[in-house]
Amino acid sequence: DVKVTQSSRYLVKRTGEKVFLECVQDMDHENMFWYRQDPGLGLRLIYFSYDVKMKEKGDIPEGYSVSREKKERFSLILESASTNQTSMYLCASSRRGNTEAFFGQGTRLTVV
Amino acid sequence: GQQVMQIPQYQHVQEGEDFTTYCNSSTTLSNIQWYKQRPGGHPVFLIQLVKSGEVKKQKRLTFQFGEAKKNSSLHITATQTTDVGTYFCARLTGTASKLTFGTGTRLQVTL
Repeated sequence: DVKVTQSSRYLVKRTGEKVFLECVQDMDHENMFWYRQDPGLGLRLIYFSYDVKMKEKGDIPEGYSVSREKKERFSLILESASTNQTSMYLCASSRRGNTEAFFGQGTRLTVV
Repeated sequence: GQQVMQIPQYQHVQEGEDFTTYCNSSTTLSNIQWYKQRPGGHPVFLIQLVKSGEVKKQKRLTFQFGEAKKNSSLHITATQTTDVGTYFCARLTGTASKLTFGTGTRLQVTL
């Protein structure tokens, strides 16, 4: 059974903290994605990685960075968390080509 | 980047009624995917369309890709309470298959 695992289901952080969200997939997929989901705005792509150490900005990369040191792991970093980064964060992975994406369970991050 | 727009944003139907959500793009799409997200869950892949005018069916769900490949629709016949959730269309772009989602349509079904 395919699996994308996000390290935390719920997270509460303080403004200004550096926050790491981790995502691991066990399907040997080339592509990994980070999205944030907010009511009425759908799923917005933050960053995309198509190979180890390779990344591409999505639609809303400001305030975020990513790291992909190993194929199975894709980390999202909030350099200095702000309250407007309170959201649901979803990680996904897929094989290269026109294939379906598999999602993790999501991390609900609250920045106070 | 421009998101693919979906309409309506929300629809509430009685069980047994039909439901349609539309996905519109200002640019030609090479393909379109559809996902369903149940309340409290994560998006799950339903189907992919790649050909102009393509129509695919999954039981009560009918998916269509426009002739000009700028729009797509998902139609559910005789909705059931199990159809509740948010339906997203998504497009793949580039050789590395970047996946960008639409704004989603939330469906509520009541008895």
